[in-house]
Amino acid sequence: DTEVTQTPKHLVMGMTNKKSLKCEQHMGHRAMYWYKQKAKKPPELMFVYSYEKLSINESVPSRFSPECPNSSLLNLHLHALQPEDSALYLCASSQELAGFGTDTQYFGPGTRLTVL
Amino acid sequence: AQSVTQPDIHITVSEGASLELRCNYSYGATPYLFWYVQSPGQGLQLLLKYFSGDTLVQGIKGFEAEFKRSQSSFNLRKPSVHWSDAAEYFCAVGASGNKLVFGAGTILRVKS
Repeated sequence: DTEVTQTPKHLVMGMTNKKSLKCEQHMGHRAMYWYKQKAKKPPELMFVYSYEKLSINESVPSRFSPECPNSSLLNLHLHALQPEDSALYLCASSQELAGFGTDTQYFGPGTRLTVL
Repeated sequence: AQSVTQPDIHITVSEGASLELRCNYSYGATPYLFWYVQSPGQGLQLLLKYFSGDTLVQGIKGFEAEFKRSQSSFNLRKPSVHWSDAAEYFCAVGASGNKLVFGAGTILRVKS
């Protein structure tokens, strides 16, 4: 099973709301990723967790707060977002955080976020 | 730093015709190269990858890609396109920390 699941599928929130995105994998992978993808653009890496510890933060604003409570679960907490944060948020996982992309990343279907 | 260029933003191909999507990379050492496909509103699915060895790589769904070091290219091909192949295709190169550096993507339209 190479499935990464993400909930919710769609989310609409106001700029003062607090919401969370959830990502789950049961492949025994130890690295998990959050990407942001704007319309007609490639995915941009936001965060990487390795063995439940934050390994990479690509200078993401603090209104995005990741959390990895266990090896199968990755959350992205959202607070005080701006309309320009509207995008598809993709989660991915890989076996490890090795080398130069040599650990294949498996992507979830994404959460379509709209900030009003 | 690594970078990827996909020169074609859109490509339209007739169903049953052959397909080639172009990808050029910039990286000094031997690159790790990937092709992903994304259907509308969906996540990315890995089609194939090249790490080393045979420069012609076979992937899923009948796709193949050829690594040409002299041209810094990793073009994706399919001999006969099906309507279900309509999607966006991303070429990517691996970077340290298991990162992927994506190209801008090529949208494939298939006409019947």
